[in-house]
Amino acid sequence: TQLLEQSPQFLSIQEGENLTVYCNSSSVFSSLQWYRQEPGEGPVLLVTVVTGGEVKKLKRLTFQFGDARKDSSLHITAAQTGDTGLYLCAGPLANAGGTSYGKLTFGQGTILTVHP
Amino acid sequence: DADVTQTPRNRITKTGKRIMLECSQTKGHDRMYWYRQDPGLGLRLIYYSFDVKDINKGEISDGYSVSRQAQAKFSLSLESAIPNQTALYFCATSDFRDSRNTQYFGPGTRLTVL
Repeated sequence: TQLLEQSPQFLSIQEGENLTVYCNSSSVFSSLQWYRQEPGEGPVLLVTVVTGGEVKKLKRLTFQFGDARKDSSLHITAAQTGDTGLYLCAGPLANAGGTSYGKLTFGQGTILTVHP
Repeated sequence: DADVTQTPRNRITKTGKRIMLECSQTKGHDRMYWYRQDPGLGLRLIYYSFDVKDINKGEISDGYSVSRQAQAKFSLSLESAIPNQTALYFCATSDFRDSRNTQYFGPGTRLTVL
């Protein structure tokens, strides 16, 4: 069972459309990260959200952390072909007291394809 | 130059062969990780190391072993490769001072076991 569930698993859209990717958990996370992975490369960090209810913007990408810190979303406005890739959410594993284990758990990823 | 490098980038091997995947980093991070990526399963942790004398199993360590030769080098071995170990393998590093454990990934090794 995945600690972080991403949806949808696949997304195929036309250039110019908007989309949202979701990352949900039954556990509380101190922070959540979003990574993007392009073919032939490793994942690269896009953003980290830390505070419940936080919204961060990175050009056309908007990231939100849920108020209860159990979920996050990534919204892309006017998608471009360059947005194509695998999007991964990840959160640090920690004990009940909040002490980090020094590891991340990852969602299963969302494969986004933007067609011209 | 890339901060985290992996060799080889692609490898095709046969069932039963021993192979080693190597990872080097110039980021100066103490923490290093090996992940496996399969379609629909995201990234799963195989082994991780917080310093040269520290090695820990991840969630899927069976069939794998690792060696931390130096702060900058962390290798992954498959003692006797089997077809279901066909996957994309990533090495990553993180800074122990980063409580969020941000990961810095290498470019990956695509391994095919026939």
